[in-house]
Amino acid sequence: DQQVKQNSPSLSVQEGRISILNCDYTNSMFDYFLWYKKYPAEGPTFLISISSIKDKNEDGRFTVFLNKSAKHLSLHIVPSQPGDSAVYFCAASAGGTYKYIFGTGTRLKVLA
Amino acid sequence: EPEVTQTPSHQVTQMGQEVILRCVPISNHLYFYWYRQILGQKVEFLVSFYNNEISEKSEIFDDQFSVERPDGSNFTLKIRSTKLEDSAMYFCASSAQGGANEKLFFGSGTQLSVL
Repeated sequence: DQQVKQNSPSLSVQEGRISILNCDYTNSMFDYFLWYKKYPAEGPTFLISISSIKDKNEDGRFTVFLNKSAKHLSLHIVPSQPGDSAVYFCAASAGGTYKYIFGTGTRLKVLA
Repeated sequence: EPEVTQTPSHQVTQMGQEVILRCVPISNHLYFYWYRQILGQKVEFLVSFYNNEISEKSEIFDDQFSVERPDGSNFTLKIRSTKLEDSAMYFCASSAQGGANEKLFFGSGTQLSVL
């Protein structure tokens, strides 16, 4: 049961352009969403989060958009940099739980 | 910057053997977690731990698994009798507070290979 889906396993973007990573979810009880970045041989690193009471959260080059009616969120990275090349995981949780449900990840490659 | 540390980075064991994976969470954090990622699959929640008790566990976390905080700094995951399908990268995580709106800090993982 894939409650959190990242349908694009990989994405290549030119340096300086926008990267858009997408995530869909099925559980309407999810009320908190996060993006994590993972480099090889490292653990996931928190990037940005959004509560379901918002539709946008911005932190520097990273912006997360949430469309609750479509059960869709996206992460925008602009401008993309080669150091952004990593696997990006979308995660979600429902109120009061300690359990995060992760997507399968999207491998972003930023080309210099 | 404080970080979650995990040892060993790689663990190879024979099927049926017991393994203990060790983690040192960030020192002022109170909530601890184990996740795992089987190769090519998503990161999956195993268990959360607070105040010396399991707060929540997944269906993966059966009787073969146990967690412990044996002292003030370590947090361990024990697999009593390993199976081939336990081969995965195991991530420890911690957070300052519990609940849904908390970001987790992950360690770099222990790659467990069961032969």
